[in-house]
Amino acid sequence: AQSVTQPDIHITVSEGASLELRCNYSYGATPYLFWYVQSPGQGLQLLLKYFSGDTLVQGIKGFEAEFKRSQSSFNLRKPSVHWSDAAEYFCAVGAGNNDMRFGAGTRLTVKP
Amino acid sequence: DAGITQSPRHKVTETGTPVTLRCHQTENHRYMYWYRQDPGHGLRLIHYSYGVKDTDKGEVSDGYSVSRSKTEDFLLTLESATSSQTSVYFCAIRSGTGNTEAFFGQGTRLTVV
Repeated sequence: AQSVTQPDIHITVSEGASLELRCNYSYGATPYLFWYVQSPGQGLQLLLKYFSGDTLVQGIKGFEAEFKRSQSSFNLRKPSVHWSDAAEYFCAVGAGNNDMRFGAGTRLTVKP
Repeated sequence: DAGITQSPRHKVTETGTPVTLRCHQTENHRYMYWYRQDPGHGLRLIHYSYGVKDTDKGEVSDGYSVSRSKTEDFLLTLESATSSQTSVYFCAIRSGTGNTEAFFGQGTRLTVV
């Protein structure tokens, strides 16, 4: 089955600084990749997704992610972080089967 | 917001008692999922359904059973709750597989004492 690794449990960045959250996946074929965000006490909201085509995908709230097949990575980036971006971020991989697997998440803290 | 309702939102139960969580959707989506969320583990798939009466196990299915008798309802049952099943449970729905987005409910916080 497919799997996802998010190496960073917790990241702290200053407001206005750039952000990169790492995601590595394991899957034998072309994966379907997703990034979700979870605010405290809430469900998950989709930020962006990738299946094919341009390897740099744009999402909501100014986020983007780049798919690198050679590195089995799908890292999430934002050029300038806002205090409202503080949340937990999950990378997920869907395969040709029915299920969707998530990473352990990265908690983002934004310093004023 | 996608029409997903989880009930109850919070529950405290005693070890050894049966517990059923309900997920109700109004989107007529074919696929429904139950995940549990625990610190350090992210979301782990318990069971999922790909149609009425069609279900399959996920990665942490031991101690859980599910049923889907109608398209709109997906029930998760803990036959005999244990403290290790204290968690936040999320239901998700998808209209398809592959690159189809999953929509999540608000979660159910279950505490087993």
